[in-house]
Amino acid sequence: KAGVTQTPRYLIKTRGQQVTLSCSPISGHRSVSWYQQTPGQGLQFLFEYFSETQRNKGNFPGRFSGRQFSNSRSEMNVSTLELGDSALYLCASSLDPASRAYEQYFGPGTRLTVT
Amino acid sequence: QQQVKQSPQSLIVQKGGISIINCAYENTAFDYFPWYQQFPGKGPALLIAIRPDVSEKKEGRFTISFNKSAKQFSLHIMDSQPGDSATYFCAASGRGETSGSRLTFGEGTQLTVNP
Repeated sequence: KAGVTQTPRYLIKTRGQQVTLSCSPISGHRSVSWYQQTPGQGLQFLFEYFSETQRNKGNFPGRFSGRQFSNSRSEMNVSTLELGDSALYLCASSLDPASRAYEQYFGPGTRLTVT
Repeated sequence: QQQVKQSPQSLIVQKGGISIINCAYENTAFDYFPWYQQFPGKGPALLIAIRPDVSEKKEGRFTISFNKSAKQFSLHIMDSQPGDSATYFCAASGRGETSGSRLTFGEGTQLTVNP
């Protein structure tokens, strides 16, 4: 079974621009979560989508948003980029939190650099 | 608020030795405790996980020990190998449909296994 895929793998943007990252979960997985990883803050939860609905949200500003499509693929968007948004953005998929199948599998991440 | 504290920050062991990484949590609603292994340039990979109804879980050379009353859990890597050199993260998630997929991570431990 194919793993979680994320595109693009690397991205360089300028401050003030916006960016969209894409994630395709493992086949059959309905929950997609996004995390930001930085050397200073570590791994931090951004939000989770299940059945096209945001179920949970971390403590990030409104510039960070996401959505999920009917095929469970997900996108996250960051508007008005700041230098501090430079990070590895990770997507993780899981079967269904309601069934207590909590195992989350991560993709390789998108390395975003804001200059 | 950091809810999962991990130590040590870095660890150096000799090949064949035992690596021990510790984590402590505060939120008693947590009921799922996974460990992830991350190599440079890769996303975190699920290594092993435990629920509070057992005190120990073993998979190959990897063992989780769990102490519910102390709110602590640890990862033991037996017969450590140079290929185990990576960053290890403990994590926790809580009960309920909406919180089940939200992982709270520890700060990470950089493990180096010398040949």
